[in-house]
Amino acid sequence: AQTVTQSQPEMSVQEAETVTLSCTYDTSESDYYLFWYKQPPSRQMILVIRQEAYKQQNATENRFSVNFQKAAKSFSLKISDSQLGDAAMYFCAYEGNNNNDMRFGAGTRLTVKP
Amino acid sequence: KAGVTQTPRYLIKTRGQQVTLSCSPISGHRSVSWYQQTPGQGLQFLFEYFSETQRNKGNFPGRFSGRQFSNSRSEMNVSTLELGDSALYLCASSLDGTTTRGFQYFGAGTRLSVL
Repeated sequence: AQTVTQSQPEMSVQEAETVTLSCTYDTSESDYYLFWYKQPPSRQMILVIRQEAYKQQNATENRFSVNFQKAAKSFSLKISDSQLGDAAMYFCAYEGNNNNDMRFGAGTRLTVKP
Repeated sequence: KAGVTQTPRYLIKTRGQQVTLSCSPISGHRSVSWYQQTPGQGLQFLFEYFSETQRNKGNFPGRFSGRQFSNSRSEMNVSTLELGDSALYLCASSLDGTTTRGFQYFGAGTRLSVL
């Protein structure tokens, strides 16, 4: 079964600095998708960035980028120029190519200090 | 376009009761998935409905059930509530297809407290 592990329950970063959130996963599939979701206090899950496993190029969305290491099954999220609005729970998620049973990590609570 | 709407936002029930939660997907979306979020177990997939049929199911007991109507709105039901069912229940909708590829949109959830 696919599992997703986030080893950092909490992280903090100074405003305008850079922070990296870690995620590893386990799967026997060769084709899949990986995501980072943000859950602010409003509780609504928001997609931050997505990565297709068959693409070697790391995904980037403005200040958010990933470091996807397929062989190591690692998928970290880098947030550059952190802003107060980035404070939230961040979840790493995995989805296979044959179903939409999405698997989530336990989450990392990010605090941004002014 | 309206987002995913979940009602009610908050619910308090007692052990042994049953509860029904509702989810209205984004217009045009035919797939609705349900997740349970708890501090201890995190986010867990409950089930997914597509065209009024349950297409995927997570590892939850039979007390958890759902259905989808012809307008794609979905309900989930939990019978014989237990204290451990206290959680945030999230609904997400996507267009169709067997894989969302991240293109699923979440509602704000229903916070269920079982006393």
